[in-house]
Amino acid sequence: SAVISQKPSRDICQRGTSLTIQCQVDSQVTMMFWYRQQPGQSLTLIATANQGSEATYESGFVIDKFPISRPNLTFSTLTVSNMSPEDSSIYLCSVEDGTANTGELFFGEGSRLTVL
Amino acid sequence: AQSVAQPEDQVNVAEGNPLTVKCTYSVSGNPYLFWYVQYPNRGLQFLLKYITGDNLVKGSYGFEAEFNKSQTSFHLKKPSALVSDSALYFCAVRDITHSSASKIIFGSGTRLSIRP
Repeated sequence: SAVISQKPSRDICQRGTSLTIQCQVDSQVTMMFWYRQQPGQSLTLIATANQGSEATYESGFVIDKFPISRPNLTFSTLTVSNMSPEDSSIYLCSVEDGTANTGELFFGEGSRLTVL
Repeated sequence: AQSVAQPEDQVNVAEGNPLTVKCTYSVSGNPYLFWYVQYPNRGLQFLLKYITGDNLVKGSYGFEAEFNKSQTSFHLKKPSALVSDSALYFCAVRDITHSSASKIIFGSGTRLSIRP
């Protein structure tokens, strides 16, 4: 199993600012996934980050709002740009269990973002 | 398109009683099915998965789930509930028929509350 560390664990931000969330994995992984969990709701996939290529965004999410970096096989960042209160959510980084290749995901503890 | 439904927002059970958290899914081909648990202010933790083989799968913390293809269900069960089982539970599905890289879709979540 993979151990995933996310920073920050929580933050309170002002409207119009941007915040970058970091995700560090203790092993090399091909794909990293970024999810959003809005208050009281389920997880929604924002994008899939592959090392060496641009991230693939899901419908309703765009690169200008959620730029992603993937500089190597153990690290990724998600930036939430020009934040509004509607961006208040938990942002979760996850990776797939590459050894078993059965689709099981491992998650970080999440970054709880509150936008005032 | 694949989808997963958790018809109950909340399930309340007395400690020591059996519990069931319901999940139904829809995929065009063969599913991988998962259950995750989320404790307060934490990321998601993997509980169990169905890939192939025996329809009854056993997972962490004494939980099990039964894959029923005819009813397209994957209900989570435990013979004797503990207060510490109180958490948010997510069912998830992945359609692997067409691509092993297909994304995982999460249900809306069911809050399980175990009373002493």
